Amino acid sequence: DAKTTQPPSMDCAEGRAANLPCNHSTISGNEYVYWYRQIHSQGPQYIIHGLKNNETNEMASLIITEDRKSSTLILPHATLRDTAVYYCIVRVGSNYQLIWGAGTKLIIKP
Amino acid sequence: NAGVTQTPKFQVLKTGQSMTLQCAQDMNHEYMSWYRQDPGMGLRLIHYSVGAGITDQGEVPNGYNVSRSTTEDFPLRLLSAAPSQTSVYFCASSYSVPGSASYNSPLHFGNGTRLTVT
Repeated sequence: DAKTTQPPSMDCAEGRAANLPCNHSTISGNEYVYWYRQIHSQGPQYIIHGLKNNETNEMASLIITEDRKSSTLILPHATLRDTAVYYCIVRVGSNYQLIWGAGTKLIIKP
Repeated sequence: NAGVTQTPKFQVLKTGQSMTLQCAQDMNHEYMSWYRQDPGMGLRLIHYSVGAGITDQGEVPNGYNVSRSTTEDFPLRLLSAAPSQTSVYFCASSYSVPGSASYNSPLHFGNGTRLTVT
C-alpha cells in the first residue's frame, strides 16, 4: 500500500502561511492526493485534492512535486480557527477507499 | 440541507449488548460509509455502500453489520458489544466513490457518535 508520512505536529504564527508537508513516495500514477482536517473531535472536513497539477480553492493551495512523491498544503493566512489535525491521504486501497494515517497536529499561535 | 446526521451523540453499553447507530444524509449521495476513530489515530473504514441495496466490507468489519434500504439512511449495527469497540464512530457520504476515476466530490462527515463499552 502507498503510505503517507507527515510530521506529527507543527506550530505556526497567526497571520502567517502554514505549510504542511506530506511524503508519498510510493504513490501510483492514478492516485489522487487528498487533504482533510479535523477540528477537536468533530467530523473531518474536506480541504482540497489533486492529481498532478497544483490546485487552489477558497481554503488552501495544494502544491504537488513534479515526481508526485510529495506535496504541501498551504494555508495562506492562518487563523486560530485553523488549529486542527490535518490528514494527507493518497492510498485508495483495493476497493477505492481512503486510508487514513495519524495526520499532523497544527497549532496556530497568537 | 442538514448534511450528515448521526444519532445518538453519546452511548454507553455493557458488554454483550447490541445497538444501532443511525446515519442519515439529505444530499442524495450514492456513497455512504462508516469509520471508527481510536485515540490519536486516523479513521478506519468499517463498511461502505455505493448505493441502495449495495454494501461491502471495509478494513475492520468484524462485529458490525450494515444495510442500505434507502439512499438516505445507512445504519450501523453492533451485534454484541465488546470493550474493543469503544471508539468514536463517523458516518460519511459523497456524490461519487472516493478514488474512482469519476470522483470529484468530497466526503461529508457527521459529527460522530462516542461509544463506550464497559
